[in-house]
Amino acid sequence: DAGVIQSPRHEVTEMGQEVTLRCKPISGHNSLFWYRQTMMRGLELLIYFNNNVPIDDSGMPEDRFSAKMPNASFSTLKIQPSEPRDSAVYFCASSLQASTADTQYFGPGTRLTVL
Amino acid sequence: SQKIEQNSEALNIQEGKTATLTCNYTNYSPAYLQWYRQDPGRGPVFLLLIRENEKEKRKERLKVTFDTTLKQSLFHITASQPADSATYLCAPGANDYKLSFGAGTTVTVRA
Repeated sequence: DAGVIQSPRHEVTEMGQEVTLRCKPISGHNSLFWYRQTMMRGLELLIYFNNNVPIDDSGMPEDRFSAKMPNASFSTLKIQPSEPRDSAVYFCASSLQASTADTQYFGPGTRLTVL
Repeated sequence: SQKIEQNSEALNIQEGKTATLTCNYTNYSPAYLQWYRQDPGRGPVFLLLIRENEKEKRKERLKVTFDTTLKQSLFHITASQPADSATYLCAPGANDYKLSFGAGTTVTVRA
């Protein structure tokens, strides 16, 4: 398996623009997670899906952030409008089943820079 | 609120020595704890899982302990090699899907 695939790997945009990050989880995995990593705050969970349904989005910082999972093999994280403080590395991770202690498999991340 | 602390931001050791990393947590009663490795420019990679009823877990040159009384986990890399140089993240978890990650400890092994 190719592992979790994320695109783009790098994104540079200007403040106010819309940004869409994409993720393809490992085939057969039922759970998908979006994280954000910064030097100041470390790795933070933004949202979690199970069987394509958003279960917990309490980590989504503001209404400017939204996430969708239209099918089992694709998810998007959208920021509209983007702000400089959104600059971070965004990771997508998937697990076989979100039961206790399931291993999470992370993608390579998308490094977002908002100017 | 929950707090997870990992020891010193960076750990520099000589090849062949044992690296010991600490993960302390407060206001939290995790059912298990996972350790991940992260290399620059890459996503975290799972290494080991230890549950609250386990005292110690081993995998090759890695050893993890979990002391629920002290609210602490220790992560050991024995016979360290330059290839072990990376950032190591501890991630306690409760009886749900959520992992809370520590800030990480960066290990550099000198040849």
